[in-house]
Amino acid sequence: NAGVTQTPKFQVLKTGQSMTLQCAQDMNHEYMSWYRQDPGMGLRLIHYSVGAGITDQGEVPNGYNVSRSTTEDFPLRLLSAAPSQTSVYFCASSKQGGDLQETQYFGPGTRLLVL
Amino acid sequence: AQKITQTQPGMFVQEKEAVTLDCTYDTSDPSYGLFWYKQPSSGEMIFLIYQGSYDQQNATEGRYSLNFQKARKSANLVISASQLGDSAMYFCAMREGQNSGYALNFGKGTSLLVTP
Repeated sequence: NAGVTQTPKFQVLKTGQSMTLQCAQDMNHEYMSWYRQDPGMGLRLIHYSVGAGITDQGEVPNGYNVSRSTTEDFPLRLLSAAPSQTSVYFCASSKQGGDLQETQYFGPGTRLLVL
Repeated sequence: AQKITQTQPGMFVQEKEAVTLDCTYDTSDPSYGLFWYKQPSSGEMIFLIYQGSYDQQNATEGRYSLNFQKARKSANLVISASQLGDSAMYFCAMREGQNSGYALNFGKGTSLLVTP
């Protein structure tokens, strides 16, 4: 199993550009989520999905869009990039959302710089 | 309000010594899960240990143990016999129920440096 994969590893954008961060998992996990990590802030939830076709907002959803058309993939779209979106983005997945014991497994992260 | 508080921005410990990383949490949900993750300088998030709110015993995983004091709402990570490879950021996180989207709420982390 590859686990949780993310592409790209690094990206530089200009303000106003759009892009999609890719996330895929091969563990047949129902629950997937996106976090951003900023210095001194820990990780904050952007969006999450409890299954294909179902998504919801997290703590910091503004400026981001998600969809979940398959169990495996959960892309994160930046609609119009802003310097405040410079961050490290992590995708995570777990078997189910409703089991508090389920460990979330994280992808390697995408470092995004918006100029 | 901050749900997870890690009051130690940075800690030093000598190799082979034990170290405790503090974590307090805030929730009114009777069902919750507490997690610790390690983030080395390479950036990946590595799951270390889990404690459920109804677990009677403290969780242990190898050199990691969780000192769970429910009444005080604390879930401190204890690393025994520290190794140089334990130098990393450590994050405490809590998972609540459906109303919170089953998301992990993270603390701001503690940077641990293990010295020879």
